[in-house]
Amino acid sequence: DGGITQSPKYLFRKEGQNVTLSCEQNLNHDAMYWYRQDPGQGLRLIYYSQIVNDFQKGDIAEGYSVSREKKESFPLTVTSAQKNPTAFYLCASSMGTAAGGTQYFGPGTRLLVL
Amino acid sequence: GENVEQHPSTLSVQEGDSAVIKCTYSDSASNYFPWYKQELGKRPQLIIDIRSNVGEKKDQRIAVTLNKTAKHFSLHITETQPEDSAVYFCAEGLYGNNRLAFGKGNQVVVIP
Repeated sequence: DGGITQSPKYLFRKEGQNVTLSCEQNLNHDAMYWYRQDPGQGLRLIYYSQIVNDFQKGDIAEGYSVSREKKESFPLTVTSAQKNPTAFYLCASSMGTAAGGTQYFGPGTRLLVL
Repeated sequence: GENVEQHPSTLSVQEGDSAVIKCTYSDSASNYFPWYKQELGKRPQLIIDIRSNVGEKKDQRIAVTLNKTAKHFSLHITETQPEDSAVYFCAEGLYGNNRLAFGKGNQVVVIP
């Protein structure tokens, strides 16, 4: 778990503002993921990336964007189009299709709207 | 599509008793079933997983059983301790496929 870091721990967003959440891993994992967690809703997949320079939409991608320019990094941007962004955001990584589905999570970023 | 349901949503047990959480899934192609534990304010952590070629797996006080015919799998915690209090998430996936579908979680409370 210590190989995946997220920053910041808390993030405040003003109306109409885009904000970017950082996720870095030094586990040499090919795949990375972003989840949103709301009370009573479990973990919902926003975006995932199986390899550098490639990513796919998850179940709730609207209002979010990602990039995967480096294997170690998978930043998530919460755009102004996301009307209800307040949530706990979790990043995860896994070795990839060759090795199985175990995902390891970062410590999370809590996003609050001012 | 993937759809995972967990029951019960909240479970309270006396310290020392056993706790059982059940998950049902809909995709018959799923063959990988992990369980994650999330303590308050912390990240989810994998505690045990099972693949569809076995029916049961144990790790000290924790076990998972899988019934492929009925499409459900269960987490068993024996001799519960206060530190077992947490939210437990089950998930389903295809081994070798990157996506997991998570259930909504079970809140387990161990009463000292």
